[in-house]
Amino acid sequence: EVQLLESGGGLVQPGGSLRLSCAASGFTFSNYAMSWVRQAPGKGLEWVSAVSSSGGSTYYADSVKGRFTISRDNFKNTLYLQMSSLRAEDTALYYCAKRGSSGYFDYWGQGTLVTVSS
Amino acid sequence: EIVMTQSPATLSVSPGERVTLSCRASQSVSSNLAWYKQKPGQAPRLLIYGASTRATGIPARFSGSGSGTEFTLTISSLQSEDFAVYFCQQYNNWPPAYTFGQGTKLEIK
Repeated sequence: EVQLLESGGGLVQPGGSLRLSCAASGFTFSNYAMSWVRQAPGKGLEWVSAVSSSGGSTYYADSVKGRFTISRDNFKNTLYLQMSSLRAEDTALYYCAKRGSSGYFDYWGQGTLVTVSS
Repeated sequence: EIVMTQSPATLSVSPGERVTLSCRASQSVSSNLAWYKQKPGQAPRLLIYGASTRATGIPARFSGSGSGTEFTLTISSLQSEDFAVYFCQQYNNWPPAYTFGQGTKLEIK
């Protein structure tokens, strides 16, 4: 059974940093690209970032480019999102998502909540 | 950026009814379109990918159609567990710049 378990969310002040983690199990992690998708309270879904299966290629939404860094450790079966220069508009539930055979997401974690507030 | 527009925003329907949700792309996404269902407090769940292929374990009452810029998700006979928010997502870009629709909420009439 595929499982994705996010952690690392919390309350952070504007301008602060936070690192999210996503522990994966139930599939061969190193074979699949992974993404982070966020959802602001009561709002829709926004794709944030993606990383290739090897970790060699990374992609970002314009809204986080230059502030967030996605990475992965294929030995630890873990995905990361390093977030810096956080803004109030980054407040959201952050989901880790496994890419399917193309760019859709076939499995999602339960999310970790990031709140940016003073 | 490819903008995805879903309509209507909210749909009030009765159990057993047939319902069709719409999703429009601001430019062609070929058949690179997925649908997700999200219930309150839960993560999204993949229903349809490739515009018309049901994901593993998804009941046959869910069907998707369309290509290019116009897509639909049809639920043939609404069950109680189908009342939720439905999102469409395009994945046509490379490098990836995936975008989602704003969602359609199905509520009980």
